[in-house]
Amino acid sequence: DAGITQSPRHKVTETGTPVTLRCHQTENHRYMYWYRQDPGHGLRLIHYSYGVKDTDKGEVSDGYSVSRSKTEDFLLTLESATSSQTSVYFCAISEDGYGYTFGSGTRLTVV
Amino acid sequence: KQEVTQIPAALSVPEGENLVLNCSFTDSAIYNLQWFRQDPGKGLTSLLLIQSSQREQTSGRLNASLDKSSGRSTLYIAASQPGDSATYLCAVSGTASKLTFGTGTRLQVTL
Repeated sequence: DAGITQSPRHKVTETGTPVTLRCHQTENHRYMYWYRQDPGHGLRLIHYSYGVKDTDKGEVSDGYSVSRSKTEDFLLTLESATSSQTSVYFCAISEDGYGYTFGSGTRLTVV
Repeated sequence: KQEVTQIPAALSVPEGENLVLNCSFTDSAIYNLQWFRQDPGKGLTSLLLIQSSQREQTSGRLNASLDKSSGRSTLYIAASQPGDSATYLCAVSGTASKLTFGTGTRLQVTL
């Protein structure tokens, strides 16, 4: 989607390794979010940020950490990847907490 | 904890038919409700946003209604087309502008 980029688009990693996903925005929006999407669960919030260095946990934050050192970048780190973290990860941005723009997603497979 | 339910989970209709997708939520203390569209392997596209003080929003062939007191929303699609085939997601916004999603309705419009 215009203004928001996720990288990588696909990744396969081994159990126990650390993994970092990147979300980059060019819209200068205040809010940034990380969601995961799994069959039967819909999208669930992992972590979110409401400003540089201001982050908080979402519904399914165990095993994940985030950092936001610049307005435009929001990083999601899986500290020690497990098979249960195989999922599609979406980043979203919002200026005012009303309208949202989602990235194209990162498909992560943990083997 | 907010829970969002979408019924039906899947729907197949012939082209030209009018259809209604349903969304219900358990906590009426919401800021807004949004409908998204997701094509296979893609991110989410925002369709309609209804503020908590509004009753409905319209965009082209789409009309979304909100009854906050009863915890319900409907998405009405008029004169369906094969290009409308996608998964439709309902999401409600609570505190800190966090979205809670339903699991979606997978729509197929056949020729």
